[in-house]
Parts: sequence; structure tokens; C-alpha cells
Amino acid sequence: DGGITQSPKYLFRKEGQNVTLSCEQNLNHDAMYWYRQDPGQGLRLIYYSQIVNDFQKGDIAEGYSVSREKKESFPLTVTSAQKNPTAFYLCASSVLAGTYNEQFFGPGTRLTVL
Amino acid sequence: DAKTTQPTSMDCAEGRAANLPCNHSTISGNEYVYWYRQIHSQGPQYIIHGLKNNETNEMASLIITEDRKSSTLILPHATLRDTAVYYCIVRGHILTGGGNKLTFGTGTQLKVEL
Repeated sequence: DGGITQSPKYLFRKEGQNVTLSCEQNLNHDAMYWYRQDPGQGLRLIYYSQIVNDFQKGDIAEGYSVSREKKESFPLTVTSAQKNPTAFYLCASSVLAGTYNEQFFGPGTRLTVL
Repeated sequence: DAKTTQPTSMDCAEGRAANLPCNHSTISGNEYVYWYRQIHSQGPQYIIHGLKNNETNEMASLIITEDRKSSTLILPHATLRDTAVYYCIVRGHILTGGGNKLTFGTGTQLKVEL
């Protein structure tokens, strides 16, 4: 089945530790995105990538880092510089061509920093 | 991208039509209206999009006013599984500088009840 996978579903870390969230897609999409969602709020864009080895900051990139070494993978690292990392993290992907780009979302990773 | 305004919450009886409004009075001529929904603790799901004509697919209908300043998402026969947060998003055409970013507000919490 084609889709986007994120692992793990729940993640716990101690304050001050870096943590990497996984995102893999087998949809052959060029573009991938990372969003953060806090309780009762909409999604906010952290980083996005339109092509391998290239990515751009979104609205709230501080304290996060990404890489795009493969088309299928777009891991997100939450660093110790992120002041309030506890949140629900969502990965998405889309095509770039065409008149619009429906974004397909993964199931999300809920990160709790203790 | 144009800002959107949606009611915070709505209720609907199962089997009845759910009509979710969205105001986007500052929308420009090349901006599309997108609707996504998010069931609790899952990733958002694309529903439908449109430019100026009414659109219908297997999930919903989208009615855009003639001046394009508002739209309504219609779920013709709502079921309990349609309980979710519904997001109305306005963004430009990818080929005219609209980019790939989706800006999510807080959406409308639709509760479908027996």
C-alpha cells in the first residue's frame, strides 16, 4: 500500500536530549513537509523540501533541523534548543506538478519531553 | 495567502446535511479554496478544493459565492465518522507563486450526533 509512515507513534525524551522523528513515503512525491500541532491549535509549518538535498524553513524552524538525503525520507530532529518541544508532529508529502498539490499526511508522532 | 474565518464549532444530526461556512474576504483572483479535515489524533485528510466553480466529489460539495469571498463545505449525509475538525485554507496556484505551503487556522469542530 502507498502512503506515509511515521515512527514511533509516541515518543518520550528527557529535557536537553535531541530526538529524531522518522518520516518515510512510498508515493514517489517530490515535496515533503513537517508540521507541528499544539492542543486546540492548527498546524504550523516547520520545514519543507521540494527536492533531494534541498529544504526551506517554514514558520517555526528554530530549534529544529532536517535532512533530505533520499526522496523517500525526511527525518526531523528536535534539538535541545527547542524551548517547548512537547507537541504532535505531522509529516506530509505532495507532488509538485499539476494545478494543485494535495498534501498526504502521516499518522503523526506525539512527542513528550519530560 | 488570504486569511480565513470559520466558526469554532458546529453540531449536526446524523443523516442530515452538514454545512460548514468559511469567510475569505481578502482572497485574490488566483487563490484556491481547500478543505481538509482532521479526526482526533490523526493526520489531516484532503477533502476538496475549488477556484470559482462549485465542486463535488465522493466526500463533499464545495459552494463558492460569486464574489469568492466565502464558501460552504457540504457533507450531504453526515455520519458519526464525520466528527472532526474541518479546516478551510486559501492558497495560490503552485505555478503562480502560491508555493506549497498550507496555512492551517484553528478550523471548525464538527460534532455529529445521533
